[in-house]
Formats: sequence, structure tokens, C-alpha cells
Amino acid sequence: EVQLEESGGGLVQPGGSLRLSCAASGFTFGNYAMSWVRQAPGKGLEWLSGITSSSSNTYYADSVKGRFIMSRDNSKNTLHLQMDSLRAEDTAIYYCALGGYLAYWGQGTLVTVSS
Amino acid sequence: SYELTQPPSVSVSPGQTARITCSGDALPKKFAYWYQQKSGQAPVMVIYEDNKRPSGIPERFSASTSGTMATLTISGAQVEDEGDYYCYSTDDSGVGVFARGTKVTVL
Repeated sequence: EVQLEESGGGLVQPGGSLRLSCAASGFTFGNYAMSWVRQAPGKGLEWLSGITSSSSNTYYADSVKGRFIMSRDNSKNTLHLQMDSLRAEDTAIYYCALGGYLAYWGQGTLVTVSS
Repeated sequence: SYELTQPPSVSVSPGQTARITCSGDALPKKFAYWYQQKSGQAPVMVIYEDNKRPSGIPERFSASTSGTMATLTISGAQVEDEGDYYCYSTDDSGVGVFARGTKVTVL
């Protein structure tokens, strides 16, 4: 059974940083691309970033390019999202998802950016 | 930037057919994917690669594409099908994009 579990969310001040993690199990993590998606309170889904299986390529939405960095550790079946220069509009539930086609999702971790 | 467009809401009576459209200029050459999100839950994929249904998704969910339009059909909608439905695709540079979502009400 595919399982994805996000962690690392919390309350952070504007301009601050957070590092999210996603622990994967139930599939051969190193064989699959992965993605991050977020959902602001009461809003729709927003694709944020994607990474290929070997980390050779990463892709970012314009809204986070230059502020967020996606990475992975295939030896630990873990995905990361380093978020810097956080803004109030980054407040959202952050989901990791399997594949570039988002086949399975975690339950998400809440990030709140507020002073 | 690339955009996908869905209607904000669709209402259907139980047992009737609901259709949700998604339009995007790149859909003739890029796959469409559909996700269901029930209140307070993470999204679930209900259609991949335009018209394929993942295991465990009821047969009443189907989809098709024609030109720049993708359509998700719920045949014989049930009350438990209520929720938000999102169309997703990618642009030529590998960047993902969601439509704004359609709220489906079954009553």
C-alpha cells in the first residue's frame, strides 16, 4: 500500500523558512518522480513543484520559483521542500504526491505564515 | 502562463448524470487528469491519461477528450460523489497546472 506522510509544517513569521518532508513507503521510491501541491484555506489546488526520479530535473511554479527548493533522498525514501522568504500567501496545506501525475497523495501538513 | 478552465459548480439529482468540462489549449497534446476532493480530505485521482480509471474507482466515473476540451462524467451520481473535482495537466516545460475546480452537488 502506497503511503505518503508529510511533516514539518507549523507557524512561521513572514520572511522565515521551513523545511517540509514527505516519508514514502509501499512503492519503489527511487523509480518515481514526485510532486508538491498546496491548497490555501478555502481555495483550490495549486501545483508547486516536481522532481524526476534521479533528481536530474526539478520544476517550479512561478509563484515559488527562487524561494522554494525541492529535493529528494532516495536512500531514505524521503522528499523535501525547502521554503524560504515565506509570505502570508504561502499559508496552505502542503501535500506531496506520487508521480508527475499525482497518483497518490499524503494527508498534508499545514503551514501558517503570520506574525 | 497555461490555464485550464472548469465551471465553478454542477448540480445533479441522485441517479442522474453529471458532466464536468475542462478546457485548455494544450489538451490535444497533453493528458488530462481528474481528482476528487471531499470535504476535509486529501484529493484522490479518479481518472488518469484522459480516460483511464484507477483500480478502486467506481465504473460510474468516466472521461473523454475532444480537441481542447476534457470531460469527466459521473453516470448515476450518488450522494457520496459530492465534493470538489479538479482537472490537471502540464505545459510543454513540465510545469503542472490545475483548473480552479468544480463543486459537485448531488441533491
